[in-house]
Amino acid sequence: DIVLTQSPDSLALSLGERATITCKSSQSVLFKSDKKNYLAWYQQKPGQSPKLLISWASTRESGVPDRFSGSGSGTDFTLTISSLQAEDVAVYFCQQCYDSPVTFGQGTRLEL
Amino acid sequence: EVQLVESGGALVQPGGSLRLSCVGSGFTFRSHGMTWVRQTPEKGLEWVAGLSGTAATTYYADSVRGRFTISRDNSKNTLYLQMNSLRVEDTALYYCARVSSGVAVAAPINSWGQGTQVTVSS
Repeated sequence: DIVLTQSPDSLALSLGERATITCKSSQSVLFKSDKKNYLAWYQQKPGQSPKLLISWASTRESGVPDRFSGSGSGTDFTLTISSLQAEDVAVYFCQQCYDSPVTFGQGTRLEL
Repeated sequence: EVQLVESGGALVQPGGSLRLSCVGSGFTFRSHGMTWVRQTPEKGLEWVAGLSGTAATTYYADSVRGRFTISRDNSKNTLYLQMNSLRVEDTALYYCARVSSGVAVAAPINSWGQGTQVTVSS
């Protein structure tokens, strides 16, 4: 199985600061034929279901604020929130859909 | 608006069975792969099973293979998870979720239900 390891496990920042969360995969999730990284990022706010933020490592979903960005390729990925807002308090997960079983990172809790 | 509404969660004894259902609306159900993902505070998010839009392909986590069966009825816009030989470690909040394309696993999950609680305990 592909193991995704996120860091840090938790992060406490102030409003307006930059948040950086990394996700390292135990094997490459770059599919050579279509040159896509099968890596997504999700946000889960307290009491809510997860929400897709970023697909294919760097494609922001419709309606997601542009302060959220994803980068990386192969085995190393980053989710960046450029200027933290109060509504960004949540747990963030990375997920690989390159191979079955689909796996998730352990989550990063972002607090103010 | 895309909606996924799960039902069927309950308290069940070890060794028992349960069937979860999920009704989808607001999208063309048969055009999307569907999946079940469960969540616990201890293990986080754990993918359970996935099924393509046509139901031609299915995939399971090793932890449930042989005990759980994912299926769908596209005429009823409904996804199912038949859970047999339940174990204490199957206790979790079970989410029904929509894959962003017709495949079972090779695409992100772009919609989630609110979840249904399954508790396995004597």
